[in-house]
Amino acid sequence: AQTVTQSQPEMSVQEAETVTLSCTYDTSESDYYLFWYKQPPSRQMILVIRQEAYKQQNATENRFSVNFQKAAKSFSLKISDSQLGDAAMYFCAYRSPPGTGSQGNLIFGKGTKLSVKP
Amino acid sequence: EPEVTQTPSHQVTQMGQEVILRCVPISNHLYFYWYRQILGQKVEFLVSFYNNEISEKSEIFDDQFSVERPDGSNFTLKIRSTKLEDSAMYFCASKRTKETQYFGPGTRLLVL
Repeated sequence: AQTVTQSQPEMSVQEAETVTLSCTYDTSESDYYLFWYKQPPSRQMILVIRQEAYKQQNATENRFSVNFQKAAKSFSLKISDSQLGDAAMYFCAYRSPPGTGSQGNLIFGKGTKLSVKP
Repeated sequence: EPEVTQTPSHQVTQMGQEVILRCVPISNHLYFYWYRQILGQKVEFLVSFYNNEISEKSEIFDDQFSVERPDGSNFTLKIRSTKLEDSAMYFCASKRTKETQYFGPGTRLLVL
């Protein structure tokens, strides 16, 4: 079974600085999807960025980028120029590809709580 | 931009009562999901629904739970006889095909 591990329960960053959140996963599949979701205090789940495993290029979305290391099964999130609004819980998630018997339910890590200091 | 909506935002119920949580997925989406998040814990998959039937469910989704798409727009999660441990945030999500799942804002359920 697939598992997702986020080893940092809490992280802190100074406003305008850069922070990297770690995520590792375990799977025997070669094709899959990885996601980072943000959950602010309102508790809504907001997609930050996604990565298809077959793509070698790391995904980038404005100030958010990932470092996807497929062989190491690592998928870290880098937030550049951190803003106060980035303070939230961040969840890494894995999804099996379609056609594997799964309809694509997400498997989440336990989350990393990010604080941003002004 | 279309979004997933959920009602109610908060629900308080007595243990043993039935609750129905409602979701309106994005209109052209085909796959629907329920997840739950007990306070302080990670988000857990409950059930997926496609083509008017359950396609996958987790161990959490026992006989007390059921899902339904009663019309073309709503997707509901029913808990027949709530227990204290059902207190959680319940998220609905939907996606079109193999694309990203989009989450609703959640329903916070408190069972007393």
